[in-house]
Amino acid sequence: AQSVTQLGSHVSVSEGALVLLRCNYSSSVPPYLFWYVQYPNQGLQLLLKYTSAATLVKGINGFEAEFKKSETSFHLTKPSAHMSDAAEYFCAVSTNKAAGNKLTFGGGTRVLVKP
Amino acid sequence: KAGVTQTPRYLIKTRGQQVTLSCSPISGHRSVSWYQQTPGQGLQFLFEYFSETQRNKGNFPGRFSGRQFSNSRSEMNVSTLELGDSALYLCASSLLAGSINEQFFGPGTRLTVL
Repeated sequence: AQSVTQLGSHVSVSEGALVLLRCNYSSSVPPYLFWYVQYPNQGLQLLLKYTSAATLVKGINGFEAEFKKSETSFHLTKPSAHMSDAAEYFCAVSTNKAAGNKLTFGGGTRVLVKP
Repeated sequence: KAGVTQTPRYLIKTRGQQVTLSCSPISGHRSVSWYQQTPGQGLQFLFEYFSETQRNKGNFPGRFSGRQFSNSRSEMNVSTLELGDSALYLCASSLLAGSINEQFFGPGTRLTVL
């Protein structure tokens, strides 16, 4: 069975500071990994995904994530936070095509950006 | 291109009633998945449909059911509602089944059970 752990349910950053959101996964097979963002009263929007190609994945809105197999991690970063980055972020894992589109999500990290 | 639409957006029901939620995927998408989001349990997978067939099912009681029509639109039904069914129900569509296909999420239906 696969699982995802996101360290920190809430993160507060100053505008212009580094955003770092941590995600660790557990999977017995090579995983596919995703980061989604959810703004209030909206659905989820895909930020980026890892599908066994390059380990450093660049996404939308200046976000990127690095897949580290040895650490079973897929942390999300953004060099400079913007007020519009205030939202909740979810890391998710899927394992193989037989699992279809079933995603297992972490608990989410809510980001607050201070001016 | 229109996104995933879900109707209704908000719903209030009482315990014991049943409810049907609707999801229209992006045009051309054949896979529809449903998720339940609650503050306590987070995001949990309910089921996935592809070409009118249920491909995967999450760990939910039989009161939760779904179906997909030939035009890929999907409905989920919850019977004998319980207070704990209060949640945001999210629908996601993707072009094909398979875990590397990007899923596009709708805005959700917020269900409140009184």
